[in-house]
Amino acid sequence: AQSVTQPDIHITVSEGASLELRCNYSYGATPYLFWYVQSPGQGLQLLLKYFSGDTLVQGIKGFEAEFKRSQSSFNLRKPSVHWSDAAEYFCAVGSGYSSASKIIFGSGTRLSIRP
Amino acid sequence: DGGITQSPKYLFRKEGQNVTLSCEQNLNHDAMYWYRQDPGQGLRLIYYSQIVNDFQKGDIAEGYSVSREKKESFPLTVTSAQKNPTAFYLCASSTKLGGRTDTQYFGPGTRLTVL
Repeated sequence: AQSVTQPDIHITVSEGASLELRCNYSYGATPYLFWYVQSPGQGLQLLLKYFSGDTLVQGIKGFEAEFKRSQSSFNLRKPSVHWSDAAEYFCAVGSGYSSASKIIFGSGTRLSIRP
Repeated sequence: DGGITQSPKYLFRKEGQNVTLSCEQNLNHDAMYWYRQDPGQGLRLIYYSQIVNDFQKGDIAEGYSVSREKKESFPLTVTSAQKNPTAFYLCASSTKLGGRTDTQYFGPGTRLTVL
């Protein structure tokens, strides 16, 4: 069965510092992977997605993620965070091969920014 | 502007009452979804629908009901049978359930509180 793990519940980084949020997935075939961001009391916004091809994916707001099959990981990175990046980040995995497929979300990582 | 709207933003319900959450999309998407989000947890799938007049249970369908009479609308009813309904409810839609390039887009959410 598909699953996704975000091992960090809460991360605090200083403004201007680099960021890496971890995501590990479990799926037998090639997955398709997503990162979403959620501001407090809001819906989820898609940051980026990986379906195939180049394993380094560029997204909105200066984020990128790298798919590493050997490590079953899809970590999200940003070279320099801004105070507005404070939010909850969700990694998600889906199979995309059948009409009954679903997307499974991780439990999220809350990002705080230190001034 | 195309998007997903959910109403109301906040909803209060007395115990024993049914309540219906609205979700409308003008993206011409075929598939629609309802998720429940609790603090510190990821999103859990309640129901999903691939086409009009068809829907399937997700992982936590007990105490909930849905209908899909129109392509653009997918209302969720939280019934009195739902034992712990206080949560944040998110509606999403995608072009095609399970497609390889399927991506879910989310509405702003409804926060339901049972008094």
